[in-house]
Amino acid sequence: QVQLQESGPGLVKPSETLSLTCTVSGDSITNYYWTWIRQPPGKGLEWIGYIYYSGSTKYNPSLQSRVTISVDTSKNQFSLNLKSVTAADTAVYYCARDNSFGMIDHWGQGTLVTVSS
Amino acid sequence: DIQMTQSPSSVSASVGDRVTITCRASQNIGAWVAWYQQEPGKAPKLLIYAASNLQSGVPSRFSGLRSGTDFTLTITSLQPEDFATYYCQRTNSYPLTFGGGTKVEI
Repeated sequence: QVQLQESGPGLVKPSETLSLTCTVSGDSITNYYWTWIRQPPGKGLEWIGYIYYSGSTKYNPSLQSRVTISVDTSKNQFSLNLKSVTAADTAVYYCARDNSFGMIDHWGQGTLVTVSS
Repeated sequence: DIQMTQSPSSVSASVGDRVTITCRASQNIGAWVAWYQQEPGKAPKLLIYAASNLQSGVPSRFSGLRSGTDFTLTITSLQPEDFATYYCQRTNSYPLTFGGGTKVEI
């Protein structure tokens, strides 16, 4: 059974960098695309980007200038860095598996990140 | 960018009702649409892919249909556990985008 678990700080100060890690179990990270999606409180879903195990990435143009997704195949983990955050980046951040056809078939439980001083 | 316009934003229903949710794509995207269910405080769950294919383990009361650029999710005989928010998503190209969501409530 594929499981994903997000980890990282729940509070980030404005202008700083949000950093989260997703640990994957039950599947090799060398399969599929590994994705970050976020959801501001009470709002809808926003796709942030994906990474393939080779390091190939694709990002949402709306966030591209601030986002970096990286992968550590030795730990079966991938990570999200979002720099220069503002209150608008406050959201539940989900890591997830994209089965390579754009379908998100496994999700982490999500982690709330609040941007506040 | 291709937009996904989802309606209604909310619907009131009762156990046993039939509920239909619609997403309209602003351009032709073939059958590249998925549907998700999100219960409060939980991650979304994939229900339907490629417009009409039921994900493994999803009850058969859920179904999807495509007509041109219009996509529908139908829940026949609504069950208590179906009261949730539903999202459509286009899967034809990146960046992936989601509809605005439909809250199914009592």
